[in-house]
Amino acid sequence: KNQVEQSPQSLIILEGKNCTLQCNYTVSPFSNLRWYKQDTGRGPVSLTIMTFSENTKSNGRYTATLDADTKQSSLHITASQLSDSASYICVVSLDNAGNMLTFGGGTRLMVKP
Amino acid sequence: NAGVTQTPKFRILKIGQSMTLQCAQDMNHNYMYWYRQDPGMGLKLIYYSVGAGITDKGEVPNGYNVSRSTTEDFPLRLELAAPSQTSVYFCASSLRRGDGQTGGYIQYFGAGTRLSVL
Repeated sequence: KNQVEQSPQSLIILEGKNCTLQCNYTVSPFSNLRWYKQDTGRGPVSLTIMTFSENTKSNGRYTATLDADTKQSSLHITASQLSDSASYICVVSLDNAGNMLTFGGGTRLMVKP
Repeated sequence: NAGVTQTPKFRILKIGQSMTLQCAQDMNHNYMYWYRQDPGMGLKLIYYSVGAGITDKGEVPNGYNVSRSTTEDFPLRLELAAPSQTSVYFCASSLRRGDGQTGGYIQYFGAGTRLSVL
């Protein structure tokens, strides 16, 4: 069964610190891997999309990495801000169009002042 | 530019009642999706549509129906609501240009409808 597992489930860091969120997947083959940010009470917002041939992609202070050999991805957040408090969701897509997405359960990040 | 708009934001239903969750997008996107998100779980696809008049089942379609009569609207119908349908429902849309674009299509999500069936 295709699965996407994220760790940790929750994380608390101090404002200004860096953190790394992990994603392990068994979906294979896959077309692309996505990271979303979901604020409480809101819909997910796309941060990055990487194809299976890409190793890294950045979006401001967010940098996603992908190791297709080990089936692992990570999302690194640099110089965290209070507004980074949210759930971060790893999503693996079987197809390019995004009609076959497998979502992870998310990592809930809290940034404290 | 409103993006993807979902109504209502909250709803409480009694077992056996029916309702329609509304979703509208103003980005002229051809692809639209309905997902449900249960606490601590990943989103699961209910139905999707690749264009007006075309719909297809996702991973968890039982108990739901959809229609896509226009590009803008993609309502989700719940018939005979059950407690298992208590969830947060998200509508999303994306644009497939048909020009061989690779790299994935960004999905834009609405703010969600929180539904409780009691």
